[in-house]
Amino acid sequence: DMKVTQMPRYLIKRMGENVLLECGQDMSHETMYWYRQDPGLGLQLIYISYDVDSNSEGDIPKGYRVSRKKREHFSLILDSAKTNQTSVYFCASSLPGKDYAEQFFGPGTRLTVL
Amino acid sequence: GEQVEQLPSILRVQEGSSASINCSYEDSASNYFPWYKQEPGENPKLIIDIRSNMERKQIQELIVLLDKKAKRFSLHITDTQPGDSAMYFCAASVNSNNRIFFGDGTQLVVKP
Repeated sequence: DMKVTQMPRYLIKRMGENVLLECGQDMSHETMYWYRQDPGLGLQLIYISYDVDSNSEGDIPKGYRVSRKKREHFSLILDSAKTNQTSVYFCASSLPGKDYAEQFFGPGTRLTVL
Repeated sequence: GEQVEQLPSILRVQEGSSASINCSYEDSASNYFPWYKQEPGENPKLIIDIRSNMERKQIQELIVLLDKKAKRFSLHITDTQPGDSAMYFCAASVNSNNRIFFGDGTQLVVKP
């Protein structure tokens, strides 16, 4: 059963604290993504990782960094979190194929920064 | 990068009627067009997709149409049910770079 997992599912932090969001997948997918989704809005790409230590900025990378040391694991780090980073964060993975790049999403992490 | 426009942002329909969501894209190299459904509090899930070598695809009550010349694609849900109420996202992708560009979403509300 193909699966993307995220930990934690819910997190409350104070402004200025560091935040670590974890994502794992058991499908040996090369490409992984971090998105944020704000209420009523679409998915904004923060970072994309094409493989271990091969990461690229998405559309809104400011205030975030990522780490990918193993293919199955992709972390999102917020150094000194800000209140405007309160959001739902989704991790996704995909197996680039010849014809398609279906993305599988994790369950999401709801982050609140007070 | 690619830009995907999605309309309408909110769509209210009566149960049993049809619902249509329209998207347009800019990059003529885009060749893969997935549609995702997101229920409240859940993650987006792929419901149907179409590749550039097709003009029409149907899975049960879901129909996707692609007009490459006009750079438009659309999702049609026939005989809508309350369970179809959700946020729907269209997307476009050029498979060579693995990035999927999402539209801003359509909130579909099916009224009983």
